[in-house]
Amino acid sequence: DIQMTQSPSTLSASVGDRVTITCRASQSISSWLAWYQQKPGKAPKVLIYKASSLESGVPSRFSGSGSGTEFTLTISGLQLDDFATYYCQHYNTYWWTFGQGTKVEIK
Amino acid sequence: QVQLVQSGAEVKKPGASVRVSCRTSGYTFTNYGISWVRQAPGQGLEWMGWINAFNGDTHYAQTVQGRVTMTTDTSTSTAYMELKSLRSDDTAVYYCARRPAMAPFDYWGQGTLVTVSS
Repeated sequence: DIQMTQSPSTLSASVGDRVTITCRASQSISSWLAWYQQKPGKAPKVLIYKASSLESGVPSRFSGSGSGTEFTLTISGLQLDDFATYYCQHYNTYWWTFGQGTKVEIK
Repeated sequence: QVQLVQSGAEVKKPGASVRVSCRTSGYTFTNYGISWVRQAPGQGLEWMGWINAFNGDTHYAQTVQGRVTMTTDTSTSTAYMELKSLRSDDTAVYYCARRPAMAPFDYWGQGTLVTVSS
């Protein structure tokens, strides 16, 4: 089974900061990676798909990069609305695996 | 608009079974799969499996294989997830999500809290 490992687990940042979250796969997954944002008590919302494609309606301050085994989610200019937990997810035809999550907190 | 509406919260005793429903609308049900994801209190997301709404094929995560059954009713565009032999560590919010082909989950239900307690 492919394992997804995110770092850091928690990140403290201020409004306006540039924030980067890393996700590593235990083996190559090409670009089959998505990023989700989840707020307390709500379902996750997809931000990025195929490693770097921005989902429709998602602000352009969110960006994704990487391929193979290492991926990053960057938030350029953190907004109050962005304080949440972020998950990476590997997806393919039959199987999906989530990373353990990164909580972005207010410093 | 696309909507996935789940059944209400459940409280079950250890060893019992629970069935959660996910009623969909706003799209052609058989053109997509439905995945189920759960989240234990304060924990991350765990993918449980998915069902192809067109032909009923299922794929389950090893962590719940043997205890979970996913089904659909195409006449009502509803998906179901049944989990048997419940344990306390099955306490979680259970989500259904629409699964496009080779794409991440784009629409989610509101979640159903299942509490397993004696």
